[in-house]
Amino acid sequence: QKEVEQDPGPLSVPEGAIVSLNCTYSNSAFQYFMWYRQYSRKGPELLMYTYSSGNKEDGRFTAQVDKSSKYISLFIRDSQPSDSATYLCATNTGFQKLVFGTGTRLLVSP
Amino acid sequence: GAGVSQSPSNKVTEKGKDVELRCDPISGHTALYWYRQSLGQGLEFLIYFQGNSAPDKSGLPSDRFSAERTGGSVSTLTIQRTQQEDSAVYLCASSLLFTDSPLHFGNGTRLTVT
Repeated sequence: QKEVEQDPGPLSVPEGAIVSLNCTYSNSAFQYFMWYRQYSRKGPELLMYTYSSGNKEDGRFTAQVDKSSKYISLFIRDSQPSDSATYLCATNTGFQKLVFGTGTRLLVSP
Repeated sequence: GAGVSQSPSNKVTEKGKDVELRCDPISGHTALYWYRQSLGQGLEFLIYFQGNSAPDKSGLPSDRFSAERTGGSVSTLTIQRTQQEDSAVYLCASSLLFTDSPLHFGNGTRLTVT
């Protein structure tokens, strides 16, 4: 079993839709939870991170962590074609040696 | 300021040849990481340099892989006697040396072994 599981998609939605991206993880010691966005042929860029359980909001993006069920979510409101990318969840006990999911490819059509 | 720079951006090599991949981290970042991204596999941790400490090599897949970091800055990942399964995107990232300091990634080197 992988330490972090993520549906690879692709997930196709129309512009303006609410997008829900999810990961599950196995190690209850994980404390830091991150979402990275990766455009084609580019390196991942950090979107958001949360420490322990709870929600964090940044503009159209909301990150949610439920440590009791080991479930990580990223919600994107009013999705735009420019949001089309691969979204990677990552976690660990710290920022070092992050464990990544395989990434979910998101396609937002105009 | 400048981000993490990796070179070359693409490398095609024949099976059995050695390759060197270079990473220039963000100035002032004392932590440096190498990850490998294969199709459908996500990012796989390879090696981690933390300041002046001995590197964490626990992710290197075989003894054909090695990395060094000179002067606490530039890093080189070397793959000897390349195999087709080494084909992947090799990503370098750097960060400040704090627990909650985010990783900044370069755009990677796409290695193809023919």
